[in-house]
Amino acid sequence: GQNIDQPTEMTATEGAIVQINCTYQTSGFNGLFWYQQHAGEAPTFLSYNVLDGLEEKGRFSSFLSRSKGYSYLLLKELQMKDSASYLCAVRGLYAGNNRKLIWGLGTSLAVNP
Amino acid sequence: EAQVTQNPRYLITVTGKKLTVTCSQNMNHEYMSWYRQDPGLGLRQIYYSMNVEVTDKGDVPEGYKVSRKEKRNFPLILESPSPNQTSLYFCASRLAGGNTGELFFGEGSRLTVL
Repeated sequence: GQNIDQPTEMTATEGAIVQINCTYQTSGFNGLFWYQQHAGEAPTFLSYNVLDGLEEKGRFSSFLSRSKGYSYLLLKELQMKDSASYLCAVRGLYAGNNRKLIWGLGTSLAVNP
Repeated sequence: EAQVTQNPRYLITVTGKKLTVTCSQNMNHEYMSWYRQDPGLGLRQIYYSMNVEVTDKGDVPEGYKVSRKEKRNFPLILESPSPNQTSLYFCASRLAGGNTGELFFGEGSRLTVL
């Protein structure tokens, strides 16, 4: 079967660093995405990894290890506005016309003062 | 401004009363999709469209219909809504090819079926 696992909830302190992990088992791999979703709002794209290694984008970085089926999102210098749900999504094998995304349930991050 | 626009944003309706949620994008994206999001179940794909007049079922298509007569519009139709269709709905679009395949989401439509 196809599965994505993320922790349900995490808590961190303003100014700190937090790492949100994502492990996946999918029939094929064609890229991994991280999206941020504030409560009641639309998901917004954060990062994309298709090769092993670290992708850095300002305060946010995302790491991928394809052999381990593992990714993490690293958030540095946490701000209160980073309180949100973080969704991990994996694009599986090219199936017909749909490069299907398999979504994790999201990690709800609470940043405390 | 590049965006995906959904309407209505909020709707309370009754069982059996047909409704349509509209979705429009101004980015000339070929691919469009509808998701529903429920607590504990995450985002689940309802229908998707690779281009005009090309639509296909996602993971949870029962009780829904879609059409893609124009590239920019992808309405979601609930012919006879039931309470189990109470949910938060998102329309999303992306380029069919593209480097990352990043999805752009609409702001969401919160539907309650009584």
